[in-house]
Amino acid sequence: DIQMTQSPSSLSASVGDRVTITCRASQGIRNDLGWYQQKPGKAPKRLIYAASSLQSGVPSRFSGSGSGTEFTLTISSLQPEDFATYYCLQHNSFPYTFGQGTKLEIK
Amino acid sequence: EVQLVQSGAEVKKPGATVKISCKVSGYTFTDYYMHWVQQAPGKGLEWMGLVDPEDGETIYAEKFQGRVTITADTSTDTAYMELSSLRSEDTAVYYCATAGRQWELPEDYWGQGTLVTVSS
Repeated sequence: DIQMTQSPSSLSASVGDRVTITCRASQGIRNDLGWYQQKPGKAPKRLIYAASSLQSGVPSRFSGSGSGTEFTLTISSLQPEDFATYYCLQHNSFPYTFGQGTKLEIK
Repeated sequence: EVQLVQSGAEVKKPGATVKISCKVSGYTFTDYYMHWVQQAPGKGLEWMGLVDPEDGETIYAEKFQGRVTITADTSTDTAYMELSSLRSEDTAVYYCATAGRQWELPEDYWGQGTLVTVSS
């Protein structure tokens, strides 16, 4: 199985900050990676697909980069609605695997 | 508009079986794989498996192998996830989701989630 190591597990930041979340795959997954945002009681919402493509309707302050084993999600200027939990998901091979999650909290 | 509508919350006793449905609309059911994802309270997301509605083929995560059965009924455009021998650790929200055959679509679609509570 491909392990997805996501860091940090939690992050405290302020509105307007730039934040970066990283996912590292235990083996190469090309660009078969998505980033998800989840708020309490809601289904996950994908922000980025194919590692770096912005999903339709998602604000441009979100961006993704990486290929192979190292991936990052960057939020360029945090907004109040961005405080949530973020996950990466690899869909290169079965079983699909999620990162452990990053809880983004208000400082 | 694509919609995945799941069945309602369930309460089950340990050792029982639960079967959750996911009715789709807005696309051709057999075009995309249907996946199921588990989320225990306060925990992360875990991929359980998928079904190809076109031919019924399934792939399961090893953790759930032997206890989970995912099926698709093309006459009603509904996918099902059945989990047997329930234990307290199976208390979770279960989501159905799809994003094409290889999760390649630029849009993905999720059900609203179904809470399963396992308690004696």
